[in-house]
Amino acid sequence: EVQLLQSGGGLVQPGGSLRLSCAASGFTFSSYVMNWVRQAPGKGLEWVSGISGRSGTTDYAFYADSVKGRFTISRDSSKNTLYLQMNSLRVEDTAVYYCAPSLGVAGPFDYWGQGTLVTVSS
Amino acid sequence: QSALTQPPSASGSPGQSVTISCTGTSSDVGGYNYVSWYQQHPGKAPKLMIYEVSKRPSGVPDRFSGSKSGNTASLTVSGLQTEDEADYYCSSYAGSNTPYVFGTGTKVTVL
Repeated sequence: EVQLLQSGGGLVQPGGSLRLSCAASGFTFSSYVMNWVRQAPGKGLEWVSGISGRSGTTDYAFYADSVKGRFTISRDSSKNTLYLQMNSLRVEDTAVYYCAPSLGVAGPFDYWGQGTLVTVSS
Repeated sequence: QSALTQPPSASGSPGQSVTISCTGTSSDVGGYNYVSWYQQHPGKAPKLMIYEVSKRPSGVPDRFSGSKSGNTASLTVSGLQTEDEADYYCSSYAGSNTPYVFGTGTKVTVL
C-alpha cells in the first residue's frame, strides 16, 4: 500500500523559513519523480516543484516561477523521504502543501500525501 | 504559465450527466495527450479520476470519461450520484520548464 506521510507545516512569519517532509513507502521511491502541489485556502491547485532522480544519478529539480529562488526541493533515497525547504516565505505562500509522486515528468499524480498546512502571517 | 480555464460550477440531478470543460492552449492541453482529472471532496486530498485524456485508473467507475478536442479537454460524469458532488480539477503537461498546469476548478453539485 502506498503511503505518503507528511510533516513540518505550521505558522511562520513573513520572511521566515520552514521545511516540509514527506516519508514515502509502498512503492519504489527512486523510480518516481516526486512533486509538491499546494492549495491556498478556498483556491485551486498549483504545482510547486518536482525532482527526478534514480539512485546513483544527479537529481534534476524544477520549480514554478512563483517559488523559484526561494524554495529548494530535495530527496533522500536512503530514507525514502522528500523535502521542501521554503525560505523568504510570503503571505501568499499560505496553503496546504501536498506531496505526490509521478511516473515521469508528465505522469499523473496517482497518490497524494495527507497535506500539511503552512500559514505565513505576522 | 496561466491556469487552464474551467467553468466555476456545474450541476445535474441524480442519474443525469454533466460535462466539464478545460480550456488551455497549444502549449499545454492542445500539445500533449497528458491531461488528467482530479476529484476533491472538502478537506480531502485530490483523487485521480482520468489520466492521459481518457484512461481510468483501477477502481474509478466507468461513469467517468474523458476526451479532448484541440485545446479543450472534457470530463463527463454519467449517471450522477450524490457522492460525485465535489470539486474537479483538470491538469495538463505544459513542457519541461513548468511541467504541470492545473485548471481553475469546477464545483459539481448534485441537485
